[in-house]
Amino acid sequence: AQRVTQPEKLLSVFKGAPVELKCNYSYSGSPELFWYVQYSRQRLQLLLRHISRESIKGFTADLNKGETSFHLKKPFAQEEDSAMYYCALTGGNAGGTSYGKLTFGQGTILTVHP
Amino acid sequence: GAGVSQTPSNKVTEKGKYVELRCDPISGHTALYWYRQSLGQGPEFLIYFQGTGAADDSGLPNDRFFAVRPEGSVSTLKIQRTERGDSAVYLCASSLNPTVAGGPDTQYFGPGTRLTVL
Repeated sequence: AQRVTQPEKLLSVFKGAPVELKCNYSYSGSPELFWYVQYSRQRLQLLLRHISRESIKGFTADLNKGETSFHLKKPFAQEEDSAMYYCALTGGNAGGTSYGKLTFGQGTILTVHP
Repeated sequence: GAGVSQTPSNKVTEKGKYVELRCDPISGHTALYWYRQSLGQGPEFLIYFQGTGAADDSGLPNDRFFAVRPEGSVSTLKIQRTERGDSAVYLCASSLNPTVAGGPDTQYFGPGTRLTVL
């Protein structure tokens, strides 16, 4: 069974400090990993996905297949980064049973203090 | 263009009643997904449509839950004999295609319908 674990429900940092939101996954196959973000009173939106290898709003995430992790990092947190962050995965192979449907972690609430 | 929309934004009903939740995907998106998010949890997959057909309904919790997408656009999630445990935010998402070169296509989420069963 596939599973996504975000061990921290709450994470607080000060503005300008580095931040790392942890994500570990369990999947027997080749997964596609995502980070979604939900700002206050807004809908869930995609932040980044591992396959595109982009840096969005200063955030990066590296897929570590050995440790089955996909931690989200930013070197200098900003107050506007305060939000709920969800790590999610889907099967990466077209035709696989979990292809397309997302499995989410429980989420981490990030608060960046001024 | 307009994003995914969901109606109603809030629905309060009594135990045992029937409810319908509506999702309008982004125009032209062929794939549509329903998720359920309980308090303090991440969204959980319910069902996925490709066009008019349900490609994967493995997340529907029981036969009280049913969803349709008769014309390949708007979808309705139907819940019969509602129970207090059905209270949650029901999210809809759509994507242009289920897959693109390199992997699954990006899903765009609606604002959700908050269902409260008294």
